[in-house]
Amino acid sequence: TQTVSQSDAHVTVFEGDSVELRCNYSYGGSIYLSWYIQHHGHGLQFLLKYYSGNPVVQGVNGFEAEFSKSDSSFHLRKASVHWSDSAVYFCAVMSNYNVLYFGSGTKLTVEP
Amino acid sequence: DMKVTQMPRYLIKRMGENVLLECGQDMSHETMYWYRQDPGLGLQLIYISYDVDSNSEGDIPKGYRVSRKKREHFSLILDSAKTNQTSVYFCASSLAAYEQYFGPGTRLTVL
Repeated sequence: TQTVSQSDAHVTVFEGDSVELRCNYSYGGSIYLSWYIQHHGHGLQFLLKYYSGNPVVQGVNGFEAEFSKSDSSFHLRKASVHWSDSAVYFCAVMSNYNVLYFGSGTKLTVEP
Repeated sequence: DMKVTQMPRYLIKRMGENVLLECGQDMSHETMYWYRQDPGLGLQLIYISYDVDSNSEGDIPKGYRVSRKKREHFSLILDSAKTNQTSVYFCASSLAAYEQYFGPGTRLTVL
């Protein structure tokens, strides 16, 4: 059984701050890890993925994520957030059966 | 322009009525999905379709069925809707499962 845990339901930062959104997973086999963003009233949009190689992967709009096998983590980071980054962020793990399992999401609020 | 569409966007039904949610994609993706999203629960997979007439149950298929007669269309059917099926439903399609393209969602209210 694969699980994805996003421990922070809400994160609030100021514009220009850095942010880290945390994701931990449990799965025994080879996996893909992804991050998605959901703006209010819209569907999810793919941000980035990791499968193998360099543990730091770059996504769109300055987002990056770092995979850690020892910590079973795949945290999302951005060095300087903009108000338009306010959204809900979902971490996801893909199993062998082409099925994505999503975490419960972290709502990021960027204050002006 | 890669796009997943969903119709209708909003729907109100009474308990016991039948519900049809439609999804379309213009990317010729083989694999399509139906999810429901409830507050604090993330997305839960209802059904996955690997191609025309090749559908598999997801984690919460009870009370739902699907139909895929053309690659670009995937329908979700609720026979005799229940109040606990009030939710936001998302359709998605993918070439590779880790990168799914989502529609805008359908907000279904069952009274």
